[in-house]
Amino acid sequence: EDQVTQSPEALRLQEGESSSLNCSYTVSGLRGLFWYRQDPGKGPEFLFTLYSAGEEKEKERLKATLTKKESFLHITAPKPEDSATYLCAVQAGNNAGNMLTFGGGTRLMVKP
Amino acid sequence: EPEVTQTPSHQVTQMGQEVILRCVPISNHLYFYWYRQILGQKVEFLVSFYNNEISEKSEIFDDQFSVERPDGSNFTLKIRSTKLEDSAMYFCASNDVYYEQYFGPGTRLTVT
Repeated sequence: EDQVTQSPEALRLQEGESSSLNCSYTVSGLRGLFWYRQDPGKGPEFLFTLYSAGEEKEKERLKATLTKKESFLHITAPKPEDSATYLCAVQAGNNAGNMLTFGGGTRLMVKP
Repeated sequence: EPEVTQTPSHQVTQMGQEVILRCVPISNHLYFYWYRQILGQKVEFLVSFYNNEISEKSEIFDDQFSVERPDGSNFTLKIRSTKLEDSAMYFCASNDVYYEQYFGPGTRLTVT
């Protein structure tokens, strides 16, 4: 069974204070690992896809990295508008239906 | 920028009633999904749909649930006889030949 665990559950940062969010996973042959941002009462917003260990992707203040067991979402000099829940999801290679298995998310709060 | 849209944004229904949640996926996408998120819990996969048939479904997606693509633009989720535990946010998602799934804003279903 595919499993995704995210830590910490919640993270409070001061504006400008860089940090990292962790996503540990167990999957039968990783097809892709996905990062999403979710604002309260809204749907997940796609951020990144990572396909293989060693891959990195960047978007503004966010950088996602992938190893064989975990992924990190690094946030550099965050701003209050980066406050949201960040979700990690995996898709298994033997998955005919493309289902995503999500972690519980990290709730990020950035104080000005 | 193309978006997945969902209606209604909030549906209140009585236990035992049938509800239909509607989605309009992004127009050139081929794969369609329903997920749900009970308040405070993980996003959970319900069903995936491709080429006018279900390609995968979870244990949650029992005989009370059905999906349909009645025309070239809409994708619906029907719950035949709602239960209190069906109260959740329901998200529709879609993707093209690439694996990134794009989510709609969700329908909040409240069963009383």
